[in-house]
Amino acid sequence: AQTVTQSQPEMSVQEAETVTLSCTYDTSENNYYLFWYKQPPSRQMILVIRQEAYKQQNATENRFSVNFQKAAKSFSLKISDSQLGDTAMYFCAFTKLSGTYKYIFGTGTRLKVLA
Amino acid sequence: GAVVSQHPSRVICKSGTSVKIECRSLDFQATTMFWYRQFPKQSLMLMATSNEGSKATYEQGVEKDKFLINHASLTLSTLTVTSAHPEDSSFYICSPLDLQDNEQFFGPGTRLTVL
Repeated sequence: AQTVTQSQPEMSVQEAETVTLSCTYDTSENNYYLFWYKQPPSRQMILVIRQEAYKQQNATENRFSVNFQKAAKSFSLKISDSQLGDTAMYFCAFTKLSGTYKYIFGTGTRLKVLA
Repeated sequence: GAVVSQHPSRVICKSGTSVKIECRSLDFQATTMFWYRQFPKQSLMLMATSNEGSKATYEQGVEKDKFLINHASLTLSTLTVTSAHPEDSSFYICSPLDLQDNEQFFGPGTRLTVL
């Protein structure tokens, strides 16, 4: 069975600074996707970034980038130049591509950006 | 990203009544729909997976007779909480799957409060 672990329940960062959120997962699959989702106080889930396991290059989306270490089963999210609007819950998610497609979510990291 | 609507956004009901939540994927056809519930400060918990035109598959511990799911069309799925009780108070989120992109999109959620 697949599992996703986020070991940091809460983090804070000063505005304009950089923060890294950790995520590790366990799977025997070779083809899968990894995601980071943001859930602001509105509770709407927003896709931040997606990584396909077959791609060696780390995904980036503007100020958001990942460090994908497939052998180590690690998928951390780096937020550069943190903004107040980045304050939210962040969930790491995994899905395999064979068989049943469904997300497995981590427990989340609550990020607070301080002015 | 895709547009997903969910209605109502908030509902308060008396114990013993039934509540129906509608989820629509507005710009793509979703053969698969996931329903989640989320308690405060917790992660999303998958309740069930439904495929258009067939019976839903429920996760372990989720009562199928209490949480009725109908996925009659490719753009509409409903979750009915029957004979609601205060412990059913939660945030319910639908998530249609876009198979073309291998990505789940999320509705804005429904906050259910049972008095």
